[in-house]
Amino acid sequence: GAVVSQHPSWVICKSGTSVKIECRSLDFQATTMFWYRQFPKQSLMLMATSNEGSKATYEQGVEKDKFLINHASLTLSTLTVTSAHPEDSSFYICSARDKGQPYEQYFGPGTRLTVT
Amino acid sequence: GENVEQHPSTLSVQEGDSAVIKCTYSDSASNYFPWYKQELGKGPQLIIDIRSNVGEKKDQRIAVTLNKTAKHFSLHITETQPEDSAVYFCAASQNNDMRFGAGTRLTVKP
Repeated sequence: GAVVSQHPSWVICKSGTSVKIECRSLDFQATTMFWYRQFPKQSLMLMATSNEGSKATYEQGVEKDKFLINHASLTLSTLTVTSAHPEDSSFYICSARDKGQPYEQYFGPGTRLTVT
Repeated sequence: GENVEQHPSTLSVQEGDSAVIKCTYSDSASNYFPWYKQELGKGPQLIIDIRSNVGEKKDQRIAVTLNKTAKHFSLHITETQPEDSAVYFCAASQNNDMRFGAGTRLTVKP
């Protein structure tokens, strides 16, 4: 149980284009989903928290117009990196919290984004 | 806001030995403390967690202890195996705010 998937697992895009990453909770309903970013050999940095049906809450320093988050259903959240630049290259990881469990977060496998 | 410090940053042990990773947190309101294992190129995997109303929790070779007064918690892995080699992250959380330590790279030598 508590499986979270991400798609794609890796993506390469050209500078200036947009990329969408999907995060799905496969066997539970996730009222809250989280998006993290991780640079090589570093820790996870929370980018934003999204609740189903409402606007995402962004961490300080994260541009909401650049990183668009949509949490349209209890099993799907998407992160769109708009007008991507090489400095956006990173490992993006989502996590989800089970509707019935207030504490645990279950992480997806991550998406490696490379902007050329 | 919450600040989580984790030590050591790297840890190398011989197979069969024990490994201990320690974390401290700053916000006394934090009430949930998970530990995650991350292998190269993969997402973090929850391996054990503890809530603030418990002092110790054990799951086979893995145990976590929590000292609320001192605001620190530790991960203990006994009888380490090469497959335990990974990066381990501690975290402290209250409500939707989960903050991670910097990570510990554990290497278990066969």
